[in-house]
Amino acid sequence: GAGVSQSPRYKVAKRGQDVALRCDPISGHVSLFWYQQALGQGPEFLTYFQNEAQLDKSGLPSDRFFAERPEGSVSTLKIQRTQQEDSAVYLCASSPPMSLDTQYFGPGTRLTVL
Amino acid sequence: LAKTTQPISMDSYEGQEVNITCSHNNIATNDYITWYQQFPSQGPRFIIQGYKTKVTNEVASLFIPADRKSSTLSLPRVSLSDTAVYYCLVRIGGYQKVTFGTGTKLQVIP
Repeated sequence: GAGVSQSPRYKVAKRGQDVALRCDPISGHVSLFWYQQALGQGPEFLTYFQNEAQLDKSGLPSDRFFAERPEGSVSTLKIQRTQQEDSAVYLCASSPPMSLDTQYFGPGTRLTVL
Repeated sequence: LAKTTQPISMDSYEGQEVNITCSHNNIATNDYITWYQQFPSQGPRFIIQGYKTKVTNEVASLFIPADRKSSTLSLPRVSLSDTAVYYCLVRIGGYQKVTFGTGTKLQVIP
């Protein structure tokens, strides 16, 4: 079927606005990851879900960042009161069962905070 | 923590074999080594994964010495379309979290 999809592909927000980024993983993939990628850098881990359970959120940079996956499929990354330093590409990835090292990435959402 | 170190950039001519080495001195016993490729404006794409010795698939080969403190990604006969950033990954702190290294920007020259 289709790969991991993310929406929107591009988002421009004014500083202080809230944004919500969506990820549709590959059907049947129980594991879902969010990463933040700054320009010229490698992706940085944000958080990890196994089904609907958020098992690791140690990479979230502040309490303004919140992720959820209520039904174990689609996930939303929400950033409250955006700041300029939040500008980055946000990548979502999913993995098939028993193969967490093989992650399938979406195209990312490029967030620009003005 | 198993931190990885790679060359920042490499240039190669079309048709040549390219070898990119990654250092991971603190790799844990149960960790696997995984390489990803990333084109501009795209998410990373899985290339190859290994635990020890040599792994080969239709895209690349991965060489891992006995001490597993480094690994080498080998791309045979590169083409212009292989121009990308290549990341070496080693699991950190358990199975949930992985950390991408600095990545190696490969530029293939005609």
